[in-house]
Amino acid sequence: DTAVSQTPKYLVTQMGNDKSIKCEQNLGHDTMYWYKQDSKKFLKIMFSYNNKELIINETVPNRFSPKSPDKAHLNLHINSLELGDSAVYFCASSQEGRYGYTFGSGTRLTVV
Amino acid sequence: GENVEQHPSTLSVQEGDSAVIKCTYSDSASNYFPWYKQELGKRPQLIIDIRSNVGEKKDQRIAVTLNKTAKHFSLHITETQPEDSAVYFCAASISNQFYFGTGTSLTVIP
Repeated sequence: DTAVSQTPKYLVTQMGNDKSIKCEQNLGHDTMYWYKQDSKKFLKIMFSYNNKELIINETVPNRFSPKSPDKAHLNLHINSLELGDSAVYFCASSQEGRYGYTFGSGTRLTVV
Repeated sequence: GENVEQHPSTLSVQEGDSAVIKCTYSDSASNYFPWYKQELGKRPQLIIDIRSNVGEKKDQRIAVTLNKTAKHFSLHITETQPEDSAVYFCAASISNQFYFGTGTSLTVIP
């Protein structure tokens, strides 16, 4: 069983569209994250979220919004997609008080 | 916030040689330092980590050292093999939030 799963794996869409990426973890972790990895391979945190607190990286445009229906899911909604949003987006999870992240397999988003 | 710098950005070594990747961090409150390996098209995976109360940790051919005073830590890979070729990321963690370095693309030449 995949510990952290993301869907879709690939997403190609036109500028201006709104899209969502889903993430689910079955590890019982209480904190989930979204990272963006650009073409230069930089991994930048976008959001971290547990049932107590949402921490937003202030450099993330407000077109991006996380939605968590429960502690096992953290979805990423993106409005009005732009060319610069093209990247690989990784979901990750961890357990507070324990060390280490588990990453999902990534979603390659291409905006055309 | 925390700032993690990683060097070099690219590294090529002959098979069997050693590889060293270095990282520095800015926030002395960081207390956990994992290293991730990302193969082409795959997710980053944890290969080794070290906590702030430890100076060195070794796992077979890989080792990590930490100098808290100087705020730097390093990854050492000995007897490199072609399958070690990947992008390696260091990270510094505060309150379970990770700040990643910019990555090192390691190529092991057979």
